[in-house]
Amino acid sequence: AQRVTQPEKLLSVFKGAPVELKCNYSYSGSPELFWYVQYSRQRLQLLLRHISRESIKGFTADLNKGETSFHLKKPFAQEEDSAMYYCALKRPGGSYIPTFGRGTSLIVHP
Amino acid sequence: DTGVSQDPRHKITKRGQNVTFRCDPISEHNRLYWYRQTLGQGPEFLTYFQNEAQLEKSRLLSDRFSAERPKGSFSTLEIQRTEQGDSAMYLCASSLATSGSYNEQFFGPGTRLTVL
Repeated sequence: AQRVTQPEKLLSVFKGAPVELKCNYSYSGSPELFWYVQYSRQRLQLLLRHISRESIKGFTADLNKGETSFHLKKPFAQEEDSAMYYCALKRPGGSYIPTFGRGTSLIVHP
Repeated sequence: DTGVSQDPRHKITKRGQNVTFRCDPISEHNRLYWYRQTLGQGPEFLTYFQNEAQLEKSRLLSDRFSAERPKGSFSTLEIQRTEQGDSAMYLCASSLATSGSYNEQFFGPGTRLTVL
């Protein structure tokens, strides 16, 4: 069975500090992974996909198959990065339905 | 607002009552998804439609839950004989799916259900 683990419920940093939100997954096939973000009072939205290899709002995430990880990183956190972040793994099949982790709340202090 | 809309945004009901939620997807989107999110957890998949066909249902969707998308546009999710464990945020999402390729889901604001 596939599983997404986000070990930290809360991550608190100061503005300008580096951020790493951890995500580990278990999946026997070839994984497709995503990060979603939900800002306060806003909707859940896609942040990035590992396949696209993009940097979105300064965030990057690299798939490490050896460690089965997909950590989200940003070198210098900004206050506007404060949000809930969910790591997600595409379920088997063609429907692109994600299995979500429980989420990590990132708080960036001024 | 041309995004996904959900109604009502909040619902408080007594145990044993039936409730119905509505989701209006982005107009040209052919796929519509329902998720449930309980406190401290990520969203969990419940079911999805392609046009009016319900293509998949999660094991989370007990017999008390039923979803419809009669004309391939809006969808309703009904919960019969609600239980306190049904208290959660119910999220709807929609996407424009083309065969075999990635389709981004766009989420609605959710309906928060509280069962007393």
